[in-house]
Amino acid sequence: QKEVEQNSGPLSVPEGAIASLNCTYSDRGSQSFFWYRQYSGKSPELIMSIYSNGDKEDGRFTAQLNKASQYVSLLIRDSQPSDSATYLCAVGEGTYKYIFGTGTRLKVLA
Amino acid sequence: GAVVSQHPSRVICKSGTSVKIECRSLDFQATTMFWYRQFPKQSLMLMATSNEGSKATYEQGVEKDKFLINHASLTLSTLTVTSAHPEDSSFYICSARTSANTDTQYFGPGTRLTVL
Repeated sequence: QKEVEQNSGPLSVPEGAIASLNCTYSDRGSQSFFWYRQYSGKSPELIMSIYSNGDKEDGRFTAQLNKASQYVSLLIRDSQPSDSATYLCAVGEGTYKYIFGTGTRLKVLA
Repeated sequence: GAVVSQHPSRVICKSGTSVKIECRSLDFQATTMFWYRQFPKQSLMLMATSNEGSKATYEQGVEKDKFLINHASLTLSTLTVTSAHPEDSSFYICSARTSANTDTQYFGPGTRLTVL
């Protein structure tokens, strides 16, 4: 059974701090990784994707991938209260399917 | 770009009735659409993968006769929950893949189904 694991949280960080969200996956052959943000009662919205080892930056967001350790993370710099949401890690599997983690709830305290 | 819509956004129905949910890709052609279900405080669970012009592929444990999926065009997929019961109450979300060269999925806004 392929799995994607995330700490459910909540992860609380003060406004302006860096929030670090982590995700591990079981399938060593996985090649594509995604971070989505989901506000309560809404559907997920794509933050970024990452396919290669290393860091990928997009604005305040940085995704980090380490395939050897089967680990992907998302850093949010200068966290804002509006970043408070559940962050879902998704790992591509098979024919374009995703396996989702259970999500980490982030609270940014003003 | 990559906008996906769903209709209706919310539906309340009586037990035993059928409900149809539409998923449309508004500014692209979606070769593949996916249907998910999300219960409160849980993650998204994939129900089925829908390819235009062919039968949907259902995940293990999902009843294909209860959750009918039709993907008649490159911009429209429908999910019909037949003979709905209270345990089918959930948040149903579709997503679409924009092209053959990407596995990025864009999600619709979701449909909240409540079965009384």
